[in-house]
Amino acid sequence: QKEVEQNSGPLSVPEGAIASLNCTYSDRVSQSFFWYRQYSGKSPELIMSIYSNGDKEDGRFTAQLNKASQYVSLLIRDSQPSDSATYLCAVNRGFKTIFGAGTRLFVKA
Amino acid sequence: EAGVVQSPRYKIIEKKQPVAFWCNPISGHNTLYWYLQNLGQGPELLIRYENEEAVDDSQLPKDRFSAERLKGVDSTLKIQPAELGDSAVYLCASSLDSGTGGADTQYFGPGTRLTVL
Repeated sequence: QKEVEQNSGPLSVPEGAIASLNCTYSDRVSQSFFWYRQYSGKSPELIMSIYSNGDKEDGRFTAQLNKASQYVSLLIRDSQPSDSATYLCAVNRGFKTIFGAGTRLFVKA
Repeated sequence: EAGVVQSPRYKIIEKKQPVAFWCNPISGHNTLYWYLQNLGQGPELLIRYENEEAVDDSQLPKDRFSAERLKGVDSTLKIQPAELGDSAVYLCASSLDSGTGGADTQYFGPGTRLTVL
């Protein structure tokens, strides 16, 4: 079992729809959770971080964390073609960051 | 503010040759990371530095990989000799230790794409 698991996709949504990306992790002592966006051929950039159970909203992005179920999700509202990228879930255990393999998202115009 | 700088951006070498990658972190960032990213995978940590000290090198293949961060600023990652399986993107990242116990934002450089023939 991988420490951080994501559906590789591709996830295809029409422009203006809500994109829902999910991630599960195996280590219950994980403390910090991150979503990175990576455009093709580019480096990852942080878009959301979440540390406690519940929802955290930032513009069109909402991160959701459920530590009891060991999953974290990212919702992208009003999806735009520019959101088409790979979304990496990352989990911190102390100072160590474990990345998932990423979910490819395509937003169709 | 300048971001993380890496060079070269691309490198093609033949197997068994040595190769070195250079990273200059964001000014003032005391933590520096080297990651390896294979196609279709997430970044995997190779080594983490706190200032000039390598505090986590458990995933660094020490038989062929080495790294240094002299003076706690720039860092160099070396592979000698390179193997076909080393073809990947090598990412450098940096963060400012703000006492959050590892939750600091990591800023990534553009990466070096290595091809070993």
